[in-house]
Amino acid sequence: KNQVEQSPQSLIILEGKNCTLQCNYTVSPFSNLRWYKQDTGRGPVSLTIMTFSENTKSNGRYTATLDADTKQSSLHITASQLSDSASYICVVSAVYKLSFGAGTTVTVRA
Amino acid sequence: DTEVTQTPKHLVMGMTNKKSLKCEQHMGHRAMYWYKQKAKKPPELMFVYSYEKLSINESVPSRFSPECPNSSLLNLHLHALQPEDSALYLCASSQVSGTTDTQYFGPGTRLTVL
Repeated sequence: KNQVEQSPQSLIILEGKNCTLQCNYTVSPFSNLRWYKQDTGRGPVSLTIMTFSENTKSNGRYTATLDADTKQSSLHITASQLSDSASYICVVSAVYKLSFGAGTTVTVRA
Repeated sequence: DTEVTQTPKHLVMGMTNKKSLKCEQHMGHRAMYWYKQKAKKPPELMFVYSYEKLSINESVPSRFSPECPNSSLLNLHLHALQPEDSALYLCASSQVSGTTDTQYFGPGTRLTVL
């Protein structure tokens, strides 16, 4: 069973709208949680990284939250742009190993 | 420079061919990684090199052979691959191995095995 579950699997939004992606994990012990953006056919690019003590982290129009008690994280995209169309992957670190979520595919339409 | 480069971008090979994938970084990172990613799936860790020594092999078949000639270079030698090995192969690097440092990914090599 995957230790990192992401939802929804995919979503379509109109340009300029906001959206929120979810990540639930069971990885333990927890070290940190990252959100990556992966364009089709390209390598993932790190958006945010949060440790146990951090609740929120922003990177431009991307804001990630973390609730380490409930083991949930979210990624909020504000005022979406066409270039936000990509797969967003939640990656949770335990000791020596990264656990990847399956990703949420976001499609932004004009 | 926060770039990890990979060559070639695309590779098509037959099951009897021998080919190599190359990865390079000049960030002074001492950990380098190979991942395999199938379509619409997350990356799967294959190998980890730490200080130019193989530290993790995730039970990868021997038809994949990694090599780390120096701290900036990482190769993946391919021999007698199967069609199911077709995937995007990603290289990544981080300051040190372990999971506290961000891994920087290359653009990947799209491999097709005929």
